[in-house]
Amino acid sequence: NFMLTQPHSVSESPGKTVTISCTRSSGSIATNYVQWYQQRPGSVPTTVIYEDNQKVSGVPDRFTGSIDSSSNSASLTISGLKTEDEADYYCQSYDSNNHGVFGGGTKLTVL
Amino acid sequence: VQLVESGGGVVQPGTSLRLSCAASGFTFTSYGIHWVRQAPGKGLEWVAVICYDGSNKYYADSVKGRFTISRDTSKNTVYLQMNSLRAEDTAVYYCARDFRYRTTAGSGMDWGQGTLVTVSS
Repeated sequence: NFMLTQPHSVSESPGKTVTISCTRSSGSIATNYVQWYQQRPGSVPTTVIYEDNQKVSGVPDRFTGSIDSSSNSASLTISGLKTEDEADYYCQSYDSNNHGVFGGGTKLTVL
Repeated sequence: VQLVESGGGVVQPGTSLRLSCAASGFTFTSYGIHWVRQAPGKGLEWVAVICYDGSNKYYADSVKGRFTISRDTSKNTVYLQMNSLRAEDTAVYYCARDFRYRTTAGSGMDWGQGTLVTVSS
């Protein structure tokens, strides 16, 4: 099986742009779709990006998902940061046997 | 889409518990359902998935042989039977509907509110 590795934390100022990476340990990042989930403090996770780059209805255009085969990683980019974006973000994919795999999560601080 | 989990509680190590996930607002027989858990202060861990028609089920290695996922179409409910519980199974358990139509899994999820399971002596 493979692992998804995310930075433990990132921080940036309001109005700036931040990118959270998610690196797949083995196998191609392009083999299975990558999702991104946002979990605000004390709240249930919600899907923000699914199938690599598809935005869930209602998610601001400031959120963008992408994959990069050269680095075997996926990225979530949030532009025009707002304080409401402060949350934990998890990447997730599936292996060839439909097992879900989550990254360890990244705590985004908007300061 | 509405998913309502129930059945959580405090149990002793080695005992069993059954969680329920009552689904509404969508065609229950057309979507796979996952269970995902989150230990206190920790990240998300995928637990199991059952495909839209119940014919395929997959489990994380950490629960395989101890947990069983099932679905009852007459009640629009998915269950997670948890046996031989351990302290490390302590977590909030979420059920979540896969976005993909008429398959097992492969996309994003709609999440329920979760139910807390505490395994402690």
